[in-house]
Amino acid sequence: DSGVTQTPKHLITATGQRVTLRCSPRSGDLSVYWYQQSLDQGLQFLIQYYNGEERAKGNILERFSAQQFPDLHSELNLSSLELGDSALYFCASSVGQGRETQYFGPGTRLLVL
Amino acid sequence: SQKIEQNSEALNIQEGKTATLTCNYTNYSPAYLQWYRQDPGRGPVFLLLIRENEKEKRKERLKVTFDTTLKQSLFHITASQPADSATYLCALGEDSGYSTLTFGKGTMLLVSP
Repeated sequence: DSGVTQTPKHLITATGQRVTLRCSPRSGDLSVYWYQQSLDQGLQFLIQYYNGEERAKGNILERFSAQQFPDLHSELNLSSLELGDSALYFCASSVGQGRETQYFGPGTRLLVL
Repeated sequence: SQKIEQNSEALNIQEGKTATLTCNYTNYSPAYLQWYRQDPGRGPVFLLLIRENEKEKRKERLKVTFDTTLKQSLFHITASQPADSATYLCALGEDSGYSTLTFGKGTMLLVSP
């Protein structure tokens, strides 16, 4: 158990809908990262937050947005969903914003029908 | 363009042998490299980190080498066991203030009894 929690575990929705994925980092970790993993693309970095502030952006679509709240939990919002958004979404956390290990949560499996 | 290559074909070995996995990269100047283990449907788990000025790192049955001239890292598991069967991901981190990682697609290791 990494100490990172993600909810929900599974999500099934329809195209065009909007969903919110939630992540709670390990106690004491200030950075939260979001990743998308699909079979053909591998693990793709989406966005990083550190202590409430956006720090780095990867291949995140404009339809996707995220935020980190004062209690350090984070939410990833996915809107206007398309079939291709079906994937595993992982949240990871680390202590700071430097070269540390990242601890991954169990993921949310999203299926868009 | 930047590329991280791991062998897409599964590596099949017998229990007790040494497994060697390869991570090659192009157009990166990584300050450090990490290896993660991922079991099906679960989040990656950190194994080892090696920095650009380190040639080799060991942890129990695991050994990682990092050759910045060859642009390659090798990951070894000695005395492999069926429980080592998983997908192994390498991840590069470049020299910035933010610890964003770029992951390879991983290599599946299958250790048969």
